[in-house]
Amino acid sequence: DTGVSQDPRHKITKRGQNVTFRCDPISEHNRLYWYRQTLGQGPEFLTYFQNEAQLEKSRLLSDRFSAERPKGSFSTLEIQRTEQGDSAMYLCASSTYNSPLHFGNGTRLTVT
Amino acid sequence: KNEVEQSPQNLTAQEGEFITINCSYSVGISALHWLQQHPGGGIVSLFMLSSGKKKHGRLIATINIQEKHSSLHITASHPRDSAVYICAVPYNTDKLIFGTGTRLQVFP
Repeated sequence: DTGVSQDPRHKITKRGQNVTFRCDPISEHNRLYWYRQTLGQGPEFLTYFQNEAQLEKSRLLSDRFSAERPKGSFSTLEIQRTEQGDSAMYLCASSTYNSPLHFGNGTRLTVT
Repeated sequence: KNEVEQSPQNLTAQEGEFITINCSYSVGISALHWLQQHPGGGIVSLFMLSSGKKKHGRLIATINIQEKHSSLHITASHPRDSAVYICAVPYNTDKLIFGTGTRLQVFP
């Protein structure tokens, strides 16, 4: 068990570019979550998968954000036409039913 | 009003002091999570509890479901306990809603 891994750790991109992040959850975990965290704030829910099904998506998430979890294993989060306001730490977490969440170390996005 | 509120927002202590961080929530829940985040670090789950009290080393978490309140206590605090402590509760499906965190600094 290597824990939840996220790639890349850091991403710097110019405004208007598309970016994609990857999350590999703990292998037996069927639940996968994406959160966003800005400085001084707690994590903010983005979206949630149970296996390959995307069960919930935050109303805060604009159409520029899309997430997938093909085959119920790893997940990707894509942001199209990035804006400076998208700069944040993007956190992935996984769990099984009624178990603690295991977080990855996050991907820090900076949009210039 | 946030569904999850923590107090205090910031806390400083001398090494050895007893620390209490509070969390109040407004939604019905099945369990409450306490998490720890070190500066620049990832988030680590400390406790998940649905009733009573849990203890792990110098950390103790309590919850009162009727009053919708939980506390995290740190006994004999140490500088390495300096971190942000976050309370989170599940809402609707299973997504967690997080408090804004309590930033703890313990000085030697």
